[in-house]
Amino acid sequence: KNQVEQSPQSLIILEGKNCTLQCNYTVSPFSNLRWYKQDTGRGPVSLTIMTFSENTKSNGRYTATLDADTKQSSLHITASQLSDSASYICVVSGGSSNTGKLIFGQGTTLQVKP
Amino acid sequence: DGGITQSPKYLFRKEGQNVTLSCEQNLNHDAMYWYRQDPGQGLRLIYYSQIVNDFQKGDIAEGYSVSREKKESFPLTVTSAQKNPTAFYLCASSVGTQRYEQYFGPGTRLTVT
Repeated sequence: KNQVEQSPQSLIILEGKNCTLQCNYTVSPFSNLRWYKQDTGRGPVSLTIMTFSENTKSNGRYTATLDADTKQSSLHITASQLSDSASYICVVSGGSSNTGKLIFGQGTTLQVKP
Repeated sequence: DGGITQSPKYLFRKEGQNVTLSCEQNLNHDAMYWYRQDPGQGLRLIYYSQIVNDFQKGDIAEGYSVSREKKESFPLTVTSAQKNPTAFYLCASSVGTQRYEQYFGPGTRLTVT
């Protein structure tokens, strides 16, 4: 079964600290993996999108890694800010459909405290 | 939120009434999508359309209907047949199939009592 599992479910860190969010997937075949940031009550906004051949991608203080062999991805946030408080969603495109169906993780809720 | 707008932001309806959620995009994208988001769950696909006048059921289409008469617009109707309609609804668009980057609207929170 095609699944995307994220951990931890929620996380609280102090402003200025770093953190890493995890994403494990069982989607096959694999097309690409995306990380989205979703503020409360808003639509998700794309942070990174990685294909099979990419193992790291950065977007400012956000760095995503991908290990296609172990089917794991991580999102590392450096020097966290209060505005980083949000839900972070891992999404994998792939599966048996040739349209690259998206499989969504349930998200990790990050709270950054002053 | 890019060039995708959803209206209204909040919507309240009585049980048994149909309600239509609006989604408009000015990105010239061919594909548009409707998702439902419930607390603690990943987004679930309701319907998608890859081209004007064509649309496909997603994973949870029962109790919903859509139309795609214009490239820019993809309204979603939540019918009285939907057993648990209270949720956060998100519209998205992309240049092509789901392999491509999707851009999301700001969402509509529907409450049915």
